[in-house]
Amino acid sequence: AQTVTQSQPEMSVQEAETVTLSCTYDTSESDYYLFWYKQPPSRQMILVIRQEAYKQQNATENRFSVNFQKAAKSFSLKISDSQLGDAAMYFCAYRTWGETSGSRLTFGEGTQLTVNP
Amino acid sequence: SAVISQKPSRDICQRGTSLTIQCQVDSQVTMMFWYRQQPGQSLTLIATANQGSEATYESGFVIDKFPISRPNLTFSTLTVSNMSPEDSSIYLCSVAALAGGGDTQYFGPGTRLTVL
Repeated sequence: AQTVTQSQPEMSVQEAETVTLSCTYDTSESDYYLFWYKQPPSRQMILVIRQEAYKQQNATENRFSVNFQKAAKSFSLKISDSQLGDAAMYFCAYRTWGETSGSRLTFGEGTQLTVNP
Repeated sequence: SAVISQKPSRDICQRGTSLTIQCQVDSQVTMMFWYRQQPGQSLTLIATANQGSEATYESGFVIDKFPISRPNLTFSTLTVSNMSPEDSSIYLCSVAALAGGGDTQYFGPGTRLTVL
């Protein structure tokens, strides 16, 4: 079974600075998806970024980028120019590639990010 | 992407009663998922609901406790039966949809359930 580990329960960053959240996973599969979701106090799960395992290029979305190291099974999220609105719980998630797998997501335990003004 | 709504957004219920949570999607989707998020914890998949077939439950979750309906491709319900305080959680509906050339899972706003 796949597992996802986030080793940082809490992180903090100064506004306008850069922060990196860590995620590692364990799988025997070669094709899969990886995601970062953000959950603010409103509890809405918001997709931040997606990475397909077959793509060597790291995904980017505006101020958010990932460092995907497939061999090391590492998938970290970098937030640049941090803003107060970035404060939230961040979850790393893994999804198997094929439809027959059921598309279920396996989540890490989350990292609570605080942004200090 | 997909826009998902859930009803109710929150509820406070008495022990031993049941609550049905509704999930509505703005487009037709094959798979819908129900997750539970206990206080201070991550998300755990309860079951996968496909239209026209019985839901598939994850280990630790049973149909008698969490019956699910999926009458069409845009709607599903999850019932939390015979509730106890341990059922106090956020329950989230999710769907898989294509976006940006890939398969992505989107979430509803969640239902915060408190059982007294």
